[in-house]
Amino acid sequence: ELKVEQNPLFLSMQEGKNYTIYCNYSTTSDRLYWYRQDPGKSLESLFVLLSNGAVKQEGRLMASLDTKARLSTLHITAAVHDLSATYFCAVDNNDMRFGAGTRLTVKP
Amino acid sequence: ETGVTQTPRHLVMGMTNKKSLKCEQHLGHNAMYWYKQSAKKPLELMFVYNFKEQTENNSVPSRFSPECPNSSHLFLHLHTLQPEDSALYLCASSRDRTREAFFGQGTRLTVV
Repeated sequence: ELKVEQNPLFLSMQEGKNYTIYCNYSTTSDRLYWYRQDPGKSLESLFVLLSNGAVKQEGRLMASLDTKARLSTLHITAAVHDLSATYFCAVDNNDMRFGAGTRLTVKP
Repeated sequence: ETGVTQTPRHLVMGMTNKKSLKCEQHLGHNAMYWYKQSAKKPLELMFVYNFKEQTENNSVPSRFSPECPNSSHLFLHLHTLQPEDSALYLCASSRDRTREAFFGQGTRLTVV
């Protein structure tokens, strides 16, 4: 059974700082997604990573995928308050599984 | 606005009631999904429809019954639910099973 583990589950950081969220998964897959969810809102697609070594960047967020290590990272550069949200990774190997989410709070 | 619309946004129902959740997308997507999001569990995939055919049912109790009459609409029929079924129910669609999903705003369900 596919298991997806995110860490940390809670992250409080100051504006301007950098940090990385990790997503590990247990079985082979070459399709990994990152989503953002604001409180009371739905999930918004951030990145789709479809191959080993894939790296995508949007603003202050950069996601990467290492299929051999079964690891994806979401790196936050110079955080700003607007990035406060819950971030989910999801892995699809014909059985979509989401991580538990990382609740990020960016403080002034 | 993702192009996936769910109604109602909020629903309170008794354990003996029957209700239905509706999801609609006009994105031309071929796959549609129901997810359950509870406070203390990761997002759980419930049902998958691909080209109107149900392809996955992840051990969901029979009190939840999906229906996909066409590629644009997906329903979740609810009957004799339990309080532990209270959750946010999210619908999503994707072009196909290999593409990212676009989520609706969800229906916040409370079973009393």
